[in-house]
Amino acid sequence: EPEVTQTPSHQVTQMGQEVILRCVPISNHLYFYWYRQILGQKVEFLVSFYNNEISEKSEIFDDQFSVERPDGSNFTLKIRSTKLEDSAMYFCASSADRVYEQYFGPGTRLTVT
Amino acid sequence: KNEVEQSPQNLTAQEGEFITINCSYSVGISALHWLQQHPGGGIVSLFMLSSGKKKHGRLIATINIQEKHSSLHITASHPRDSAVYICAARDRETSGSRLTFGEGTQLTVNP
Repeated sequence: EPEVTQTPSHQVTQMGQEVILRCVPISNHLYFYWYRQILGQKVEFLVSFYNNEISEKSEIFDDQFSVERPDGSNFTLKIRSTKLEDSAMYFCASSADRVYEQYFGPGTRLTVT
Repeated sequence: KNEVEQSPQNLTAQEGEFITINCSYSVGISALHWLQQHPGGGIVSLFMLSSGKKKHGRLIATINIQEKHSSLHITASHPRDSAVYICAARDRETSGSRLTFGEGTQLTVNP
């Protein structure tokens, strides 16, 4: 069964460093999403992406964040200068259409020290 | 902005019991998702519904649009059902299909 994959599973970085989290959505899906979950808190929406542009972003998704679909298969989230409070589990999701079910990847645990 | 509330926060049951988890939301939605989060953190989609009722195996999800309320039921619960169950609402007005999540319900089923 097709699934969303994410790499790496765990990333440790120092404050101020740039990180890129990678996702491979399900191949025929057109909508892509990033969510994050700080330890012990609820999952929060970051951004949705369609047709090579951001379709919606949350208040969390400030200038430190960017997303890109560099080729036909990958979808990336870049954090330019990481802060301690960026430590969280980051989930990528994809859906075939805006109103269809979203399928989640296994997550990348980002630890900023 | 939608507010999604779940109850209870924690639920402990004996194997075989019937489980109900509740979810309420504050503004009109186009769909309501039920998700399962395993101890390792991975999230699995269980249901997406916009009206009525859906059933998959021992899981049943219902939604009442007028009352802005949804329930997830588990019949004949089993220890392997132990997980966090999360409801998430897709606002009717959103252009990008953003989901607003509840806090989750930690379910523990004892043998």
